[in-house]
Order: sequence, then structure tokens, then C-alpha cells
Amino acid sequence: GAGVSQSPSNKVTEKGKDVELRCDPISGHTALYWYRQSLGQGLEFLIYFQGNSAPDKSGLPSDRFSAERTGGSVSTLTIQRTQQEDSAVYLCASSLIAGGSTYEQYFGPGTRLTVT
Amino acid sequence: DQQVKQNSPSLSVQEGRISILNCDYTNSMFDYFLWYKKYPAEGPTFLISISSIKDKNEDGRFTVFLNKSAKHLSLHIVPSQPGDSAVYFCAATDSGTYKYIFGTGTRLKVLA
Repeated sequence: GAGVSQSPSNKVTEKGKDVELRCDPISGHTALYWYRQSLGQGLEFLIYFQGNSAPDKSGLPSDRFSAERTGGSVSTLTIQRTQQEDSAVYLCASSLIAGGSTYEQYFGPGTRLTVT
Repeated sequence: DQQVKQNSPSLSVQEGRISILNCDYTNSMFDYFLWYKKYPAEGPTFLISISSIKDKNEDGRFTVFLNKSAKHLSLHIVPSQPGDSAVYFCAATDSGTYKYIFGTGTRLKVLA
């Protein structure tokens, strides 16, 4: 598998429960990004990692959202006490290194989260 | 405050004709622009990009035009094919940063 993979592909959860979304970036890619696409909206930047560190967490919508990356590879996005407005497609992307113009971002297929 | 806008949510074009997708931005710091294409249940895939030092970039059937004074870019697809039917996202970035700002997308339908 040469591409970015995400799991699960679909997640239905009850309001108030915690969820974990997983992203496996392309091997060797040091930069990893999380985006959210709500219905009728564009891709909303959430957080990015360069290696295991996240220099900018300002895109996270609230303190219920957190993300980590271990070993410079897999990343998990955790949403605690989910709310209905968290329902969206969560997309992960990776690039060789972080850098706006030089390094294309490769996207995974996304995780569709539905909070009931 | 939406810094990148795609004002047409959908567009239908006959096969063989030209498709023109438009994008406007507000941040004058943006100096690199990209178009991504997205099929249902898949992540966006990179299509074509342009640096602000250029006003045109061409790749096969796809051409992106940039008008910096108007803060406007467009994607031309010619000739359009049914397989081009997808959602197209415009994105912009300040090349000194890591953050892409995406538009809301335009759904293109190419009619056979």
C-alpha cells in the first residue's frame, strides 16, 4: 500500500462518547496533516505534524480534540465527548516535509464520522 | 472569514466542451495555488498548481490561470470527458508556511 490509509472508513457514535481516528501516512513522509470537511464546507485545517511534533494546534475546534503522532508515522485524532456538530469527514494527508509550495500533500480516503 | 472562495457549487458541461472552474482569494500573502480533484469516497488528489510568479500553467488537458491583481484563478479543462466528473477544490498557501486553505469545492458533471 503506497498511499495514505485511514481507519475506520465510517464511524457512527453516540453523542458524548469518545472516538479515535487513525492515519497511516506514506512511508518516509515526515509531515502529516488533519483536515475536516463538514457538509457543504471546504476542507478545514485542524493540525499538522512535522515528525512527532505539532507546531500549530490552532485549527483544533475545541479542547475536546487532540492528536498525536508516534514514531514519525501513525497519527491518531481523538475526539472526546463527541457532539453532533463533530459529524464530518476527517481527512488525513501527508507530504515529504512540511512546506506550502514545494511538497504536494497526498490525501487518504477519509473517515466519515456520524454522531447521533 | 473565508479566504478562498469557490462561488459555483456545481457546473454541468457537455463532453468535448471546455469546463471552467473559478476560485477567488482574499489573502495577498498567498503565493502558491493548487487544484485538487475528489471522487466520492476517496481523498482529494492533486491535479495542477501554479506559483504566483506565473500567470499560466498547463498540463495536458488542464490549464490553470492566475490573475493576481484580481486575486482570481481558474481551471480550464478541455476537452472535458465524463471521467472528469468530480468535485474540484481550489487551495492556496503562503509558501513560507505549511497550511493550505481550501475552497468549498465545485461539483463538475460532464454529460456524455
